[in-house]
Amino acid sequence: GDSVTQMEGPVTLSEEAFLTINCTYTATGYPSLFWYVQYPGEGLQLLLKATKADDKGSNKGFEATYRKETTSFHLEKGSVQVSDSAVYFCALSDFGNEKLTFGTGTRLTIIP
Amino acid sequence: EAEVAQSPRYKITEKSQAVAFWCDPISGHATLYWYRQILGQGPELLVQFQDESVVDDSQLPKDRFSAERLKGVDSTLKIQPAELGDSAMYLCASSPSGETQYFGPGTRLLVL
Repeated sequence: GDSVTQMEGPVTLSEEAFLTINCTYTATGYPSLFWYVQYPGEGLQLLLKATKADDKGSNKGFEATYRKETTSFHLEKGSVQVSDSAVYFCALSDFGNEKLTFGTGTRLTIIP
Repeated sequence: EAEVAQSPRYKITEKSQAVAFWCDPISGHATLYWYRQILGQGPELLVQFQDESVVDDSQLPKDRFSAERLKGVDSTLKIQPAELGDSAMYLCASSPSGETQYFGPGTRLLVL
């Protein structure tokens, strides 16, 4: 079945550091890929998505590129801020099936 | 900006009691999802509705959980009787029948 494997956390960085959170997936079809963010005590917010190979999703300075050859969708940001502290979830939905399969999440803490 | 509404935000109950959670999706969204998120893990789908019909409830523990969306708008998720292992965040999401799901703030349940 479908699965998502995320870089284990927690991840602690200093403000303005470069961020990478790794995500790889296994799917039987041609999935769409997502990054969601969850701030403390809140629900999930869609951060970015990509629907086909080589697509790049971007939002709020975050980027991720759909790499079919390596089945990866790594999240990157060039300069993180304290306000980026949250839990980040990688997810996929397989073609023709709207169900989301999530990774276990990566907790990110940014230190001033 | 329209949002998914959920209530209550927090619920504390004793085991063997009944609990119910309510979700009001974004207006016009035909698809509604209930997810369970255990602390430290990613959300897992419990049930998916298309309008008033159940599309997927394969992961719903049907001996104690029930879900309904009678008029194809808002939805209720019920647990009876609650068990200690049901302590989790219960998330509702909606989509306009497509890939992007929009999440509510969740209901955090604690079973004592």
